[in-house]
Amino acid sequence: AQSVAQPEDQVNVAEGNPLTVKCTYSVSGNPYLFWYVQYPNRGLQFLLKYITGDNLVKGSYGFEAEFNKSQTSFHLKKPSALVSDSALYFCAVREGNRGSTLGRLYFGRGTQLTVWP
Amino acid sequence: EPEVTQTPSHQVTQMGQEVILRCVPISNHLYFYWYRQILGQKVEFLVSFYNNEISEKSEIFDDQFSVERPDGSNFTLKIRSTKLEDSAMYFCASSDRVTNTEAFFGQGTRLTVV
Repeated sequence: AQSVAQPEDQVNVAEGNPLTVKCTYSVSGNPYLFWYVQYPNRGLQFLLKYITGDNLVKGSYGFEAEFNKSQTSFHLKKPSALVSDSALYFCAVREGNRGSTLGRLYFGRGTQLTVWP
Repeated sequence: EPEVTQTPSHQVTQMGQEVILRCVPISNHLYFYWYRQILGQKVEFLVSFYNNEISEKSEIFDDQFSVERPDGSNFTLKIRSTKLEDSAMYFCASSDRVTNTEAFFGQGTRLTVV
């Protein structure tokens, strides 16, 4: 069965410090991995994805994520956090080898990131 | 920047009533999805739609749910007889293809069943 785990409901970090939001996954076959962010009263906004290639992927707003196949992890990172990064972050996975009409995403529960000044 | 838009942003309905949630996907996209998020829980897949038919649906998407693309631009989710447990945030999403691409989400419709 496909699943995503975000072990931390909340992550708190001081502005300027590095941040990490953790994600582990379970999927049959090759994973396609995504991070989305949700600001208050807004929809899910795409941040970055891993499909294939380099394990370190870079995305919007200075975020990056590292795909680790042996640990089945896809942690979101940023070298220097901003107060404006405070939001709810969702990790999602889909099966990369499903049929061409199937794009179902499996989401984690979300991690609330708070960056204080 | 193109975006997925959903209306209304908030809908309150009485138990047993029918509701229709509306979405306008990004114009050149071909794949459409509905997800929902009950307060405090995971975002859950409901259904995917391609070429005017359902591609996949979850166990949540039972006979009280239906989807339609009535006019080539809108994508709707209908709940025939709402229950209290249908209260959730409903997200519409679209993508231009399935492989190697991300889905773009709308801002959501908060459905409250009373």
